[in-house]
Amino acid sequence: AQSVTQPDIHITVSEGASLELRCNYSYGATPYLFWYVQSPGQGLQLLLKYFSGDTLVQGIKGFEAEFKRSQSSFNLRKPSVHWSDAAEYFCAVGAGIYNQGGKLIFGQGTELSVKP
Amino acid sequence: SQTIHQWPATLVQPVGSPLSLECTVEGTSNPNLYWYRQAAGRGLQLLFYSVGIGQISSEVPQNLSASRPQDRQFILSSKKLLLSDSGFYLCAWSYRDRKNSPLHFGNGTRLTVT
Repeated sequence: AQSVTQPDIHITVSEGASLELRCNYSYGATPYLFWYVQSPGQGLQLLLKYFSGDTLVQGIKGFEAEFKRSQSSFNLRKPSVHWSDAAEYFCAVGAGIYNQGGKLIFGQGTELSVKP
Repeated sequence: SQTIHQWPATLVQPVGSPLSLECTVEGTSNPNLYWYRQAAGRGLQLLFYSVGIGQISSEVPQNLSASRPQDRQFILSSKKLLLSDSGFYLCAWSYRDRKNSPLHFGNGTRLTVT
């Protein structure tokens, strides 16, 4: 069965520092991977997605993620964090099959705090 | 462009009372629709999904039910709420005809059962 693990429940970084959020997945076939961000009391916003091709994908708000098949990882990175990046981040894997609802399996989330 | 509306934004209900949360999508046809629940510190749990009118798949046995009376309308219901039904409920949609279309979420409903 598919699963997603985000090892870090909470991370604190200083504003301007670099950021890496970890995501490991378990999936038997080619995974379809996503990162979402959630501000408090809000829905989830898609940051970026990986389906195939270039293993380094660029997203919105200056985020990028790298797919590493050998490590079953899809870590999210940002070179310089802004205070407005404080939020909860979710990694998700897609089932890859039509008409099964396009279901996504989500990790438990990583809460990011940014120090001034 | 496509938009998704969810209401109400917050709701406080006593134990044993009924529930109805509504979600509508605009700007697209034949979407897949989803209800997720997010409990504190527990990530997102898929409750129901629908690939068409009247077609509902339940992921987790529970006190809740879902209905899709129209193509772009998805309703989450309960006849009698439990304390454990408290949480943040998110509706989402995706393209039915695009493989692994990302989910697009509404702003959620905060439900507190007292």
